[in-house]
Amino acid sequence: NAGVMQNPRHLVRRRGQEARLRCSPMKGHSHVYWYRQLPEEGLKFMVYLQKENIIDESGMPKERFSAEFPKEGPSILRIQQVVRGDSAAYFCASSPRRGTGTNEQFFGPGTRLTVL
Amino acid sequence: DAKTTQPPSMDCAEGRAANLPCNHSTISGNEYVYWYRQIHSQGPQYIIHGLKNNETNEMASLIITEDRKSSTLILPHATLRDTAVYYCIVRVLRGGSQGNLIFGKGTKLSVKP
Repeated sequence: NAGVMQNPRHLVRRRGQEARLRCSPMKGHSHVYWYRQLPEEGLKFMVYLQKENIIDESGMPKERFSAEFPKEGPSILRIQQVVRGDSAAYFCASSPRRGTGTNEQFFGPGTRLTVL
Repeated sequence: DAKTTQPPSMDCAEGRAANLPCNHSTISGNEYVYWYRQIHSQGPQYIIHGLKNNETNEMASLIITEDRKSSTLILPHATLRDTAVYYCIVRVLRGGSQGNLIFGKGTKLSVKP
């Protein structure tokens, strides 16, 4: 049973380019969460999605950032017109459907974005 | 979710027990105590959680005080691979929002040979 998968593991972009980060949740998990970790800081929540729905995006910057979790395929975190301050590790986590299990979230290995 | 307070860092000798404290004095009756850890450059890893009874699994033990205002995570025989940042988080298990985890600064545990 594969864990949460994220790709790419490392991504380098120049200022102004777009970054697309992908997350495949664990099998059977329909909840996906994105977190950002700036250098030397703790993880900060960005967005929580279920299939085809954004449930909570209170941690998402108002501009340039978007997320989706389509019916088929991985969840995508998209950052348009990247700036150096976007350089960080972006972690995805998944959990089973609401009301089941222990409510723990399983994290992927992260994508490290570097903006030159 | 309730706020937690943890010491910023701790050292432990390899093979000894590591006891990591956490204060959560404003915890609500329906909030559980969760522990995660993050080994350098990796994604956080779930360790254990509990409500009011002490819990034990293959990784650790969780001791929660009777008034639930604090807890201690115990790694019974720490190894060098246990060096990580340990996060104590309180949140509702189910029924409420199954939303985000709120990570504080955690405790950086250094296991030394």
